Amino acid sequence: ETGVTQTPRHLVMGMTNKKSLKCEQHLGHNAMYWYKQSAKKPLELMFVYNFKEQTENNSVPSRFSPECPNSSHLFLHLHTLQPEDSALYLCASSQDSASGGVGSGETQYFGPGTRLLVL
Amino acid sequence: GQNIDQPTEMTATEGAIVQINCTYQTSGFNGLFWYQQHAGEAPTFLSYNVLDGLEEKGRFSSFLSRSKGYSYLLLKELQMKDSASYLCAVRPFQKLVFGTGTRLLVSP
Repeated sequence: ETGVTQTPRHLVMGMTNKKSLKCEQHLGHNAMYWYKQSAKKPLELMFVYNFKEQTENNSVPSRFSPECPNSSHLFLHLHTLQPEDSALYLCASSQDSASGGVGSGETQYFGPGTRLLVL
Repeated sequence: GQNIDQPTEMTATEGAIVQINCTYQTSGFNGLFWYQQHAGEAPTFLSYNVLDGLEEKGRFSSFLSRSKGYSYLLLKELQMKDSASYLCAVRPFQKLVFGTGTRLLVSP
């Protein structure tokens, strides 16, 4: 247990469906992240939130829509996805990532992920 | 651009020592992280290096040479449960850039 939970753990959806992924962290962190992990590819950063404000959108298609209502919760709303969006979606949290300073305080802690299959 | 290289797969025997290498070329450097990821599970933090040298933590050690853009993760007294993927990640400035990971298979 890393203190970061994600639901659902598995999701199958059609291309016309709308679904949401949820992430919650119990570590008192103020930065949260969405990553995509596809087979044989590096973890790809999608979005970063610091203190509920989005600070990074890594050229993610608009069919992925993040929401961060507070520092402990992060959502990823999905609509009209494509089969190539099938992947493991990981949430992570850390202390403030905006400082850019040297230190392990910005270590990211990951949730177990949501395995998404788009048919 | 950012580039991180690590071997795709390695095999080792229970009780042995294995070294997983990582080389990187990034536009900046604010630390290097190693994570362990078992199949179907979350990556878990193993180590952090920001200064040159060796950081030891139990059976695991991590080494960094900033001038060479090089790090390694050393695993001693291998156990079956060490079979996992090991991810090298560099923080050029604020965000982490990950390598593709090294899948380690430990056999009896």
